[in-house]
Amino acid sequence: DGGITQSPKYLFRKEGQNVTLSCEQNLNHDAMYWYRQDPGQGLRLIYYSQIVNDFQKGDIAEGYSVSREKKESFPLTVTSAQKNPTAFYLCASSIYYGDSSLRANVLTFGAGSRLTVL
Amino acid sequence: DAKTTQPTSMDCAEGRAANLPCNHSTISGNEYVYWYRQIHSQGPQYIIHGLKNNETNEMASLIITEDRKSSTLILPHATLRDTAVYYCIVRALSGNTPLVFGKGTRLSVIA
Repeated sequence: DGGITQSPKYLFRKEGQNVTLSCEQNLNHDAMYWYRQDPGQGLRLIYYSQIVNDFQKGDIAEGYSVSREKKESFPLTVTSAQKNPTAFYLCASSIYYGDSSLRANVLTFGAGSRLTVL
Repeated sequence: DAKTTQPTSMDCAEGRAANLPCNHSTISGNEYVYWYRQIHSQGPQYIIHGLKNNETNEMASLIITEDRKSSTLILPHATLRDTAVYYCIVRALSGNTPLVFGKGTRLSVIA
């Protein structure tokens, strides 16, 4: 079955350490996204990518980095520069969102990765 | 994208219809209404979308007022598994930026 796989599901990190969250999709989607969610809040966009080797900053990119070397993969690194990294991280994909298609606004999400900084 | 307003929370008795409202008074003629839901500790899931006609699928029905300034998502027979946060998003077909998710409505289905 096609879908998005995020790993790990739970992750604990000491302050000052970088950590990388994995996101893999087999939906043949061009666009991929990373959102962050804090308790009781909506989703905030961290980074997004429309095509391989290209990505853009979202609303809260500071302290995060991404890469898009393959269409299927969009890993997120939470660096030590991120002041409050404890959160629920969600990866999503879709067809290219600039496409004039209803499906461009239909995102498929992964199950999420919950990061806790000790 | 037009701004949406949703109630913070709602309760619904199990087996009854859950009617979730969304206000989008500044919606433009080319903007669609999309609904997603997020069950606790999972990723959001697409439910349904519509432009101006009522829409129905296996998950829900979407009723959009004639002036398109508001809409209602209807879960005809709510179950405990429908307890989730429901997001209403207004969006044109070819947007320039990714979807923005607000705080949504927290629906609690009560036995």
